[in-house]
Amino acid sequence: KQEVTQIPAALSVPEGENLVLNCSFTDSAIYNLQWFRQDPGKGLTSLLLIQSSQREQTSGRLNASLDKSSGRSTLYIAASQPGDSATYLCAVDTGNQFYFGTGTSLTVIP
Amino acid sequence: EAQVTQNPRYLITVTGKKLTVTCSQNMNHEYMSWYRQDPGLGLRQIYYSMNVEVTDKGDVPEGYKVSRKEKRNFPLILESPSPNQTSLYFCASSFRQGAIDTQYFGPGTRLTVL
Repeated sequence: KQEVTQIPAALSVPEGENLVLNCSFTDSAIYNLQWFRQDPGKGLTSLLLIQSSQREQTSGRLNASLDKSSGRSTLYIAASQPGDSATYLCAVDTGNQFYFGTGTSLTVIP
Repeated sequence: EAQVTQNPRYLITVTGKKLTVTCSQNMNHEYMSWYRQDPGLGLRQIYYSMNVEVTDKGDVPEGYKVSRKEKRNFPLILESPSPNQTSLYFCASSFRQGAIDTQYFGPGTRLTVL
């Protein structure tokens, strides 16, 4: 069974800092990996999707990388802003099912 | 506007009283799914559906039922709710276009079973 782990569970940084969130998974047989953002009391919003054949994807200040063979993905956030404060979740798609990590709660301090 | 809707958003009920949480999407997506989110456990998949009349169990299906009679709707049924089903529930949908598959989530249903 696929297991997805996210480290750290919580992170607090000053505004403007660059940061990296980590996601690891146990089974490399995946179709893709997605990063989501969840604001308190809200649903999930997709940020980036990396196909299994890709190494990275970029959207604005966000860059996600994927190393399928080692079972790792990172989400890099450049020049963090207070509006980036949220919980970030990664999810792997095994073809039929999706497995989520428990998330990293990010606080960006003005 | 492309969206996934869930109703109700909040529900307090008592043990054993059957309930249904509705989910509807307007994007003509083939794939729909239900998750529950619990502190420390993250999101766990309850059931999923690859298309109309095709449903399958996820990781935590016990105590839940689903049906997919129409492409746009995927209701979650709790025949006899118990307190351990108190949770935040999310419905999601997506196209299944090979490996290109962004999931769209509903706003969530917070269920409390007393």
